[in-house]
Amino acid sequence: QQQVRQSSQSLTVWEGETAILNCSYENSAFDYFPWYQQFPGEGPALLIAIRSVSDKKEDGRFTIFFNKREKNLSLHIKDSQPGDSATYFCAAINYNVLYFGSGTKLTVEP
Amino acid sequence: DPKIIQKPKYLVAVTGSEKILICEQYLGHNAMYWYRQSAKKPLEFMFSYSYQKLMDNQTASSRFQPQSSKKNHLDLQITALKPDDSATYFCASSQEQAGQLYFGEGSKLTVL
Repeated sequence: QQQVRQSSQSLTVWEGETAILNCSYENSAFDYFPWYQQFPGEGPALLIAIRSVSDKKEDGRFTIFFNKREKNLSLHIKDSQPGDSATYFCAAINYNVLYFGSGTKLTVEP
Repeated sequence: DPKIIQKPKYLVAVTGSEKILICEQYLGHNAMYWYRQSAKKPLEFMFSYSYQKLMDNQTASSRFQPQSSKKNHLDLQITALKPDDSATYFCASSQEQAGQLYFGEGSKLTVL
């Protein structure tokens, strides 16, 4: 059973636009939600994370919006750059195990 | 310099053979993990170790055996290889918070 879902396999935006990547989850016990960024041929790297007590976390051009009632969250990437083209994984933690969504491949066209 | 070293980066094996994937981390972390990534199941959790002790195992098959000879080592032995085992295997580590993982570059295994 997929505990963390990312509805879009891929997303294409133009340079300068805001990319919005969506994620939902099943387990109410999840309390920490990191997003990981992965470039081809590399391992995933932690980008930004939010705890379930917060509804928003911002770090530079990256913002997570979190809705605990609806069990969903989104990653907003402002002023998208071609260098942001990568696969983004939403994840959630339960009992010290990190569960990943299936990923959204973002392409930023110049 | 890479903080998590995985060897080999690429390997090809024949069905039925055995391989060992090596992982060493130089971040001073106490917890280490193995994840598998394939087209069918992106980033699937396999094992977690803390202070060289197995904490969690979500791999159904006993053909996968982690081995921790030192605090900063967590190797993965895979026996009786099958084509379905073809995937990229990622080693990761964390200090305390299991959500803040640092990943290696992966070992891409192809089983023919």
